Amino acid sequence: EPEVTQTPSHQVTQMGQEVILRCVPISNHLYFYWYRQILGQKVEFLVSFYNNEISEKSEIFDDQFSVERPDGSNFTLKIRSTKLEDSAMYFCASTRYHTPGTEAFFGQGTRLTVV
Amino acid sequence: ILNVEQSPQSLHVQEGDSTNFTCSFPSSNFYALHWYRWETAKSPEALFVMTLNGDEKKKGRISATLNTKEGYSYLYIKGSQPEDSATYLCASLLNNAGNMLTFGGGTRLMVKP
Repeated sequence: EPEVTQTPSHQVTQMGQEVILRCVPISNHLYFYWYRQILGQKVEFLVSFYNNEISEKSEIFDDQFSVERPDGSNFTLKIRSTKLEDSAMYFCASTRYHTPGTEAFFGQGTRLTVV
Repeated sequence: ILNVEQSPQSLHVQEGDSTNFTCSFPSSNFYALHWYRWETAKSPEALFVMTLNGDEKKKGRISATLNTKEGYSYLYIKGSQPEDSATYLCASLLNNAGNMLTFGGGTRLMVKP
């Protein structure tokens, strides 16, 4: 069964360093998303991406964050200068369509720890 | 602020018990309600997506209902098994821009053999 894969599963980084989280969405999906869950809190939407552009972003997704689809398979989230409060589980998701009833498929997450 | 809430936060049941949990969401600007099953270190697994008031969906021993007018959905598990132990997340699509899901806090279910 097709699945969304994320690498690495766990990343530890020093405050101020740049990190890139990688995702391979399902191959025939067109819409891509990043969510995060800070420990003990709800899963929060960060950004959605379609046709090589950001289609929606939340208040969390400030200038420190960027997304890219550098080739036909990968979808990346970059955090330019990490802060302690960026520590969270980051989930990538993809959907085939943009209709309300479309199922979203999630990766297993990357746990980012900023020290 | 558009909030999605789930109750209870956690639930311990015995194997064979039937159980249910609640997801409440703002009934205005509603587009869809998703239920996910999430085991630690695995991907959240989609269970159901519901869009219409009165929708009922079933997958094996798990079923869900949707009431968009009053803003709630129930998830039912009949005859719980230890392998049902997981966190059950609901998420609502509250606007149609960007397919942005708003998640509840989850219900952590533990089924004792």
